[in-house]
Amino acid sequence: GAVVSQHPSWVICKSGTSVKIECRSLDFQATTMFWYRQFPKQSLMLMATSNEGSKATYEQGVEKDKFLINHASLTLSTLTVTSAHPEDSSFYICSARDGTGSQNIQYFGAGTRLSVL
Amino acid sequence: EDKVVQSPLSLVVHEGDTVTLNCSYEVTNFRSLLWYKQEKKAPTFLFMLTSSGIEKKSGRLSSILDKKELFSILNITATQTGDSAIYLCAVSAGGTSYGKLTFGQGTILTVHP
Repeated sequence: GAVVSQHPSWVICKSGTSVKIECRSLDFQATTMFWYRQFPKQSLMLMATSNEGSKATYEQGVEKDKFLINHASLTLSTLTVTSAHPEDSSFYICSARDGTGSQNIQYFGAGTRLSVL
Repeated sequence: EDKVVQSPLSLVVHEGDTVTLNCSYEVTNFRSLLWYKQEKKAPTFLFMLTSSGIEKKSGRLSSILDKKELFSILNITATQTGDSAIYLCAVSAGGTSYGKLTFGQGTILTVHP
């Protein structure tokens, strides 16, 4: 149980284009999902918290107009990197928290490696 | 601001060695501490600790929390090359930060044959 699917696993795009990343909880309902960014050999940096049916909460320094988050259902959240630039190249990971349990365990997707040319 | 510090940042050992990874934290409204193992992709959940002094164990891995001294350790005995990974410690807080995890920098463990 507690499987989180993230798609795509790797995407290459041209500068100026937009890229959408999907995060799905496959066997549980996730009222809250989280989006992280990870640089090589560094820890996870929380970008935003995504709550089903409401606006995402962004961490300080994260541009909400650049990183659009939508959490339209209890099993799906999407992150859209708009007008991507080379400095947006990174590893993006989502996680989902099981809304039915009292334990605050986040289960992670496999991540998406974004390369902007 | 919540803070999680892991040490050492990297560790190189040989198969069969025992390692201890450390995690200290400063968090308002502490709820739990979690350990994850990250190989090439997604961090996989290892343990969640909420109470002091109660050891959680899974095979060769074990972990314990000290809420008075604000730290946790992760022990791996008889290490294998498959244990090579980044080990992440994260703390969950309550209040307005409920649900968010604050991660430490991670410990990169390399196990040589």
